[in-house]
Amino acid sequence: SQQGEEDPQALSIQEGENATMNCSYKTSINNLQWYRQNSGRGLVHLILIRSNEREKHSGRLRVTLDTSKKSSSLLITASRAADTASYFCAFRAGGGNKLTFGTGTQLKVEL
Amino acid sequence: GAVVSQHPSRVICKSGTSVKIECRSLDFQATTMFWYRQFPKKSLMLMATSNEGSKATYEQGVEKDKFLINHASLTLSTLTVTSAHPEDSSFYICSARVGSGRSSTDTQYFGPGTRLTVL
Repeated sequence: SQQGEEDPQALSIQEGENATMNCSYKTSINNLQWYRQNSGRGLVHLILIRSNEREKHSGRLRVTLDTSKKSSSLLITASRAADTASYFCAFRAGGGNKLTFGTGTQLKVEL
Repeated sequence: GAVVSQHPSRVICKSGTSVKIECRSLDFQATTMFWYRQFPKKSLMLMATSNEGSKATYEQGVEKDKFLINHASLTLSTLTVTSAHPEDSSFYICSARVGSGRSSTDTQYFGPGTRLTVL
């Protein structure tokens, strides 16, 4: 399967802690994106990192990409209860048009 | 930012009936729209790619006659689930791509999804 694998599948932390989720993929990619999905809702685009970038920041989000290991990580710092959601990595395999999603990480941030 | 809407947000139907789901790009034109299916606590699986004015491209394993896609305008794509059965119950999400498709960084904007329940 070309689907990306994410771990952990589920993560529960306390407000204020950092949350790290990882994504691994199997094909060559031009860029990798991270999305957020609240329960029963659509997806919100968070950040895109190009294959020639190693790290990118956006507010409390930090994304890394290691193309040699075919892996990416999303770090959410100083988490808030409102960050509770599912997070998916996504990429276009082999430079194609289709966006392939990872298996997702369900993050729960407790007060 | 670009907004994509879906209608209806939730639909319950009887087995054997057909259900149409609409996906609209509200403030931009989308030459390409995508339809995904998502099972509870699972990832999104691409069903088909819809190009305005041409036939949709279906992913392997997706029945064309079961899931009819029409992309008649640059702002509207529809997915019709024909002769629905309980196993078709799922969360269906559309997305629309901004850009010509030639750039790998073209952004996709997602609709809020449609929850289909077939009794």
